[in-house]
Amino acid sequence: GAGVSQSPRYKVAKRGQDVALRCDPISGHVSLFWYQQALGQGPEFLTYFQNEAQLDKSGLPSDRFFAERPEGSVSTLKIQRTQQEDSAVYLCASSGSGGAITEAFFGQGTRLTVV
Amino acid sequence: AQSVTQLGSHVSVSEGALVLLRCNYSSSVPPYLFWYVQYPNQGLQLLLKYTTGATLVKGINGFEAEFKKSETSFHLTKPSAHMSDAAEYFCAVSAWGNTGNQFYFGTGTSLTVIP
Repeated sequence: GAGVSQSPRYKVAKRGQDVALRCDPISGHVSLFWYQQALGQGPEFLTYFQNEAQLDKSGLPSDRFFAERPEGSVSTLKIQRTQQEDSAVYLCASSGSGGAITEAFFGQGTRLTVV
Repeated sequence: AQSVTQLGSHVSVSEGALVLLRCNYSSSVPPYLFWYVQYPNQGLQLLLKYTTGATLVKGINGFEAEFKKSETSFHLTKPSAHMSDAAEYFCAVSAWGNTGNQFYFGTGTSLTVIP
């Protein structure tokens, strides 16, 4: 596609429910990042993929968070047993760079609200 | 490790006045530096970036920033503020680290333009 696409745009989950957030990066982009952006805050790094390899998951806040990119293109961020503190916008970004990022393109984000 | 500090979470300027948004970075390797803008309920849009070469970089919408290695700064400026500049601005740093790509954001500066 022309840009990074994320779905759904909005998700309301009951506390304890599992959710899956999808990111379609720009075709051919090697690098993919996930960020969590709480209201009024900057994007906080969650995890980084280079192709299908998850090279850095140091930002995942707990073992309830899991991300995958099995074929090196589409990525899914899964949150198990959602809690209210998980409410945030989840941003995905992709870059054609396999080395240090020279430009990253962002999706519109998925706004997750846990009630 | 890399990090970004944005001084001033809220900045207000009069329409037509100079805009100055501050960003300082910390990096153990030569960084790439970015400014992104985020309008309400929108994704992140790249304003400008510094990778190599000229330290004064020009971006979209009349913004520019200067990379000053001695001051570890990358402040964003615009000579004359316009009402449409009201938004959230994020400074970001990118570098290739031990775990591959690192791409981190500051906490953001909310710019208000007063008519």
